[in-house]
Amino acid sequence: SQKIEQNSEALNIQEGKTATLTCNYTNYSPAYLQWYRQDPGRGPVFLLLIRENEKEKRKERLKVTFDTTLKQSLFHITASQPADSATYLCALAKTSYDKVIFGPGTSLSVIP
Amino acid sequence: GAVVSQHPSRVICKSGTSVKIECRSLDFQATTMFWYRQFPKQSLMLMATSNEGSKATYEQGVEKDKFLINHASLTLSTLTVTSAHPEDSSFYICSAAMGGIETQYFGPGTRLLVL
Repeated sequence: SQKIEQNSEALNIQEGKTATLTCNYTNYSPAYLQWYRQDPGRGPVFLLLIRENEKEKRKERLKVTFDTTLKQSLFHITASQPADSATYLCALAKTSYDKVIFGPGTSLSVIP
Repeated sequence: GAVVSQHPSRVICKSGTSVKIECRSLDFQATTMFWYRQFPKQSLMLMATSNEGSKATYEQGVEKDKFLINHASLTLSTLTVTSAHPEDSSFYICSAAMGGIETQYFGPGTRLLVL
């Protein structure tokens, strides 16, 4: 069955540094990969979507890569700020209309 | 931007009672709505997919008679947890889509506590 893995440990980084989160998947061939942010007690907030034919996507301080050969996505937050502290979820879908499957999430803490 | 609301945001009920959670798309018509459940420290698990006017499609392991889903209009879907038990305590999140994945928006979630 399909499996999605993210950084197993919580990630603590110093303010101003670049945070890099990983998402690996097996037994799955997603055409779409998304990254969400979730704060405690809140619903997920969409950040970025990348398609299988795209290598990289950027939005302000965020960058996502998608390597379908490695079955991996990397999510980067540059010039990190304490306000970036949250849980980040990767999510995959086979097609645009297919159900979205979420990874377990990575907790990021940016230390001032 | 598109907004999805959920009501109530929090609910506490006694074991054995039924609880209804509403999911509304406020400024768009949602052809598809999804219901997720999230236990503490865990990720979102899809429970069911519902399309307006048709029966919901439930994920494996989700009891359709316990989690009743109604998608009566293009802006409203309801999830009813029937005969709730403490193990049903969780964070329930809906999402609504007007088209494909790029038009899917999540609600703020409903915290259910069954005593």
